[in-house]
Amino acid sequence: DGGITQSPKYLFRKEGQNVTLSCEQNLNHDAMYWYRQDPGQGLRLIYYSQIVNDFQKGDIAEGYSVSREKKESFPLTVTSAQKNPTAFYLCASSSDRGLFGYTFGSGTRLTVV
Amino acid sequence: DAKTTQPTSMDCAEGRAANLPCNHSTISGNEYVYWYRQIHSQGPQYIIHGLKNNETNEMASLIITEDRKSSTLILPHATLRDTAVYYCIVRGPGNAGNMLTFGGGTRLMVKP
Repeated sequence: DGGITQSPKYLFRKEGQNVTLSCEQNLNHDAMYWYRQDPGQGLRLIYYSQIVNDFQKGDIAEGYSVSREKKESFPLTVTSAQKNPTAFYLCASSSDRGLFGYTFGSGTRLTVV
Repeated sequence: DAKTTQPTSMDCAEGRAANLPCNHSTISGNEYVYWYRQIHSQGPQYIIHGLKNNETNEMASLIITEDRKSSTLILPHATLRDTAVYYCIVRGPGNAGNMLTFGGGTRLMVKP
């Protein structure tokens, strides 16, 4: 079945360490997105990519980095510069115009201790 | 993109229709209304979208007012599994990055 896979589901890291969250899709979608969600809040856009080898900052890109070397993959690195990295991270993808909506992964819950 | 306003929370009895309102008074002529829902600790799920005509699919119906300044998502026979946060989003086609902006949504609690 086509879908979008995020791994791992839960991740624990020590403060000051970089960590990379995986996002893979087999939907042949051109665009991919990373959102952050804090408890009781809506989703906030971190980065997005409309095409391979290109990506743009969203509303809260500071302390994060991404790459888009393959159409299927859009990993997110949470760096030590991110002041408050503990959150629920969601990856999504859409066809190039996204008129029929996004497909979301099941999320990664990152806890930094 | 137009901003949306939704009630923070709503309750609905199981088996009854759940009617979730959304105001989008600044919507532009080419902007669509999208509805997503998010069950606790899962990724959001697309429900339905529309431009100006009412829409229906296997999950829900979307009623858009004639002036397009508000809409209502209808879950015809709510079940306990429909308990979730429902997001109403307005977005134009081809905007930068085709981004969806999620607000706080409406927390729907379906009760037995």
